[in-house]
Amino acid sequence: DTGVSQDPRHKITKRGQNVTFRCDPISEHNRLYWYRQTLGQGPEFLTYFQNEAQLEKSRLLSDRFSAERPKGSFSTLEIQRTEQGDSAMYLCASNQQGGQPQHFGDGTRLSIL
Amino acid sequence: LAKTTQPISMDSYEGQEVNITCSHNNIATNDYITWYQQFPSQGPRFIIQGYKTKVTNEVASLFIPADRKSSTLSLPRVSLSDTAVYYCLVGDSPGNTPLVFGKGTRLSVIA
Repeated sequence: DTGVSQDPRHKITKRGQNVTFRCDPISEHNRLYWYRQTLGQGPEFLTYFQNEAQLEKSRLLSDRFSAERPKGSFSTLEIQRTEQGDSAMYLCASNQQGGQPQHFGDGTRLSIL
Repeated sequence: LAKTTQPISMDSYEGQEVNITCSHNNIATNDYITWYQQFPSQGPRFIIQGYKTKVTNEVASLFIPADRKSSTLSLPRVSLSDTAVYYCLVGDSPGNTPLVFGKGTRLSVIA
């Protein structure tokens, strides 16, 4: 089963460091989404792509966050100068435009020391 | 996007049917109702989606009354492995727009 794959599963870093996460969507899906989830809350939307175009960004996506999907396949989410408040689970989802449900990966859990 | 309200938590014994109700008083004509399940340290998993009346699949049933201001997710004969958080979402063009999650309902199944 080639579902949505995220790497790494866990990341521990010191405050102020940069981190990058990778998401590999289901291969035939042209849409890719990033969400963030903190303890006890539901996932919150960050940004999404259709093919290589970034179509929407949430206000949650501060200037320290950047996402790319250069070839319309995998995507990366980078956080620069990490802060304590960035500690969360970062989830990636994908689907095919046209009403298909979004399929989620199991996330990258980021812990800031 | 329509706001949803669902119980924070529910408990059930194994083998029982569990019904989780979600209120969405401001649902729009084009809105669909979608339910996701999430286990600890995993991403949400799509369970079921519907627009009106009743939808059933191999996992659950979704009941939507005529006014569509609420919906009920029904899980038949739950087992310990059904312990999870269940999210009710409302939005148009299902899957085409970013999902808006609430806090969900934490279901605990007890042996």
